[in-house]
Amino acid sequence: AIQMTQSPSSLSASVGDRITITCRASQGIRNDVGWYQQKPGKAPKFLMYSASTLESGVPSRFSGSGSGTDFTLTISSLQPEDFATYYCLQDYTYPYTFGQGTKLEIK
Amino acid sequence: QVQLVESGGGVVQPGRSLRLSCGASGFAFSTYSLHWVRQAPGKGLEWVAVISYNGINKYYGDSVRGRFTISRDNSKSTVYLQMDSLRGEDTAVYYCAKDRASFGVGEVDYWGQGTLVTVSS
Repeated sequence: AIQMTQSPSSLSASVGDRITITCRASQGIRNDVGWYQQKPGKAPKFLMYSASTLESGVPSRFSGSGSGTDFTLTISSLQPEDFATYYCLQDYTYPYTFGQGTKLEIK
Repeated sequence: QVQLVESGGGVVQPGRSLRLSCGASGFAFSTYSLHWVRQAPGKGLEWVAVISYNGINKYYGDSVRGRFTISRDNSKSTVYLQMDSLRGEDTAVYYCAKDRASFGVGEVDYWGQGTLVTVSS
């Protein structure tokens, strides 16, 4: 199975900061990556597909990039509601695999 | 709007079986693949299984292959997960989720609220 190595595992930041989360795939997966946000006790929320295309309704401060093996999720100016855990997912081939998650905490 | 509602979770002894159900509404159920994803307490997300829109193609995660079976009934807009030979490490919240791509494969977009399965003696 393809492994998705996500970093960092945790991150402390302040409102207004710009942050970047990275996922690295164990082999090339084109741009077949999605990103998710999860808050405690809730189901994940879909943010982005095909590495860089925002899902409808997701604020434009979220952006994604990457192709092949290296992918990033960037939040340009953190808002209070953005503090959550973020996951990448490869949908290039089955079995799908998630990154380990990045917990974004308020500094 | 898209709704996915899981049911069937509970406490089960190791080695026993359990069947989860997920009822769907708000989209053309028979044209989308459906997934199961789980999350152990305090842990990350783990993809479990997918079934194609027509029920023909099924794929499983390495940790459940041979023990879990996914199926669907398009006449009832319901997807199932039959879980056999359950182990303690299967304890998790199980989410039903819809594929983003109609008649194709893609990311998971909509999720249910999840149902908790606890495997314990």
